[in-house]
Amino acid sequence: AQTVTQSQPEMSVQEAETVTLSCTYDTSESDYYLFWYKQPPSRQMILVIRQEAYKQQNATENRFSVNFQKAAKSFSLKISDSQLGDAAMYFCASRGKDYGGSQGNLIFGKGTKLSVKP
Amino acid sequence: NAGVTQTPKFQVLKTGQSMTLQCAQDMNHEYMSWYRQDPGMGLRLIHYSVGAGITDQGEVPNGYNVSRSTTEDFPLRLLSAAPSQTSVYFCASRGRSGNTIYFGEGSWLTVV
Repeated sequence: AQTVTQSQPEMSVQEAETVTLSCTYDTSESDYYLFWYKQPPSRQMILVIRQEAYKQQNATENRFSVNFQKAAKSFSLKISDSQLGDAAMYFCASRGKDYGGSQGNLIFGKGTKLSVKP
Repeated sequence: NAGVTQTPKFQVLKTGQSMTLQCAQDMNHEYMSWYRQDPGMGLRLIHYSVGAGITDQGEVPNGYNVSRSTTEDFPLRLLSAAPSQTSVYFCASRGRSGNTIYFGEGSWLTVV
């Protein structure tokens, strides 16, 4: 079974500063994917960044980057130069490879609510 | 390209009523799934399907039924609504080898 834990229910950052959101996971899968999703007040689910577990290089997408520590089962999200539009709920998620079973579905953490102060 | 379409967007039900949340995708995706989102709980998997005619239970399946008669559609049925089913429901889909999961815009359900 897979589990995803986000230990920070709420975080706050000053505009233009950097913030790191934490995520740890547990899985019995040998190959899996990790994701960060952003959910603004509209509730739309927006993919921020994706990491394939077999790749050692940390994924980056513009101002968003991850620190993937496979041995520690840690997958933190760093947001640089924070903007007011970054304020949202952020969910960490994982899923296994496809073998036609439940492991192909996303397992979500409980989320971190990020506030950005002007 | 419509992506994943959920209807209705908002619904109020009385306890004991039944209803169906509709989900349709136009990307020929094999995988479809339903999640519910409750405050402080993240998204939890209700049911999923890996292809037409194949469905299985997720983490919180009680009180819900699904079927997958076509690749495009994956309706979620509430058999006898209860206040505990008040939630936001998301449908999602992806291709068999795809890494990108597409979400619908969500359906807000209130059971009174």
